[in-house]
Amino acid sequence: GAVVSQHPSWVICKSGTSVKIECRSLDFQATTMFWYRQFPKQSLMLMATSNEGSKATYEQGVEKDKFLINHASLTLSTLTVTSAHPEDSSFYICSQPLRGPTDTQYFGPGTRLTVL
Amino acid sequence: RKEVEQDPGPFNVPEGATVAFNCTYSNSASQSFFWYRQDCRKEPKLLMSVYSSGNEDGRFTAQLNRASQYISLLIRDSKLSDSATYLCVVGGGGADGLTFGKGTHLIIQP
Repeated sequence: GAVVSQHPSWVICKSGTSVKIECRSLDFQATTMFWYRQFPKQSLMLMATSNEGSKATYEQGVEKDKFLINHASLTLSTLTVTSAHPEDSSFYICSQPLRGPTDTQYFGPGTRLTVL
Repeated sequence: RKEVEQDPGPFNVPEGATVAFNCTYSNSASQSFFWYRQDCRKEPKLLMSVYSSGNEDGRFTAQLNRASQYISLLIRDSKLSDSATYLCVVGGGGADGLTFGKGTHLIIQP
């Protein structure tokens, strides 16, 4: 399967700071990547679809100005949580689809964000 | 609203036993179906895709019933290492990406 890396694996920050999470596709190019968020004992919730060279598509209820996505190359997508608050504390995971958006997805190892 | 529903468990099962999970989905137009496994504080990993004809991979068997809109996973001869959360995942039918169930927590006891 595809190899997807994420960095950092965990981060603790103060309320009001911005946090940048990187998602890299290591073995093949990805025109599309997905960003999910998972709260404890909850399912993964799709936040946005990251498209290389164009604007990301955000799910309903996800603030695009708060969760900035950049997909400037075929191997890197970044998610920036701006002015993070404690309620943004969660497990953020990116994924790369094998083919289309409803096909098998390979997930990065996730980033655990804790906002104090 | 599209939903994927699973019994959250936990299922406490002795080692060597057979255990089965079910999952129901609400979008009749869904086209792709998967079981993922997620260990505590880790990312989900694909366990198997689910096909209309049913499919088997070693000790794991998956079934799809489109008429009743449910998916099942059977684990035979369970091992301690099977302890994890099993996510039912559905795609297609107009949805963007995949829709995940909350998962069923399985604990295999020695």
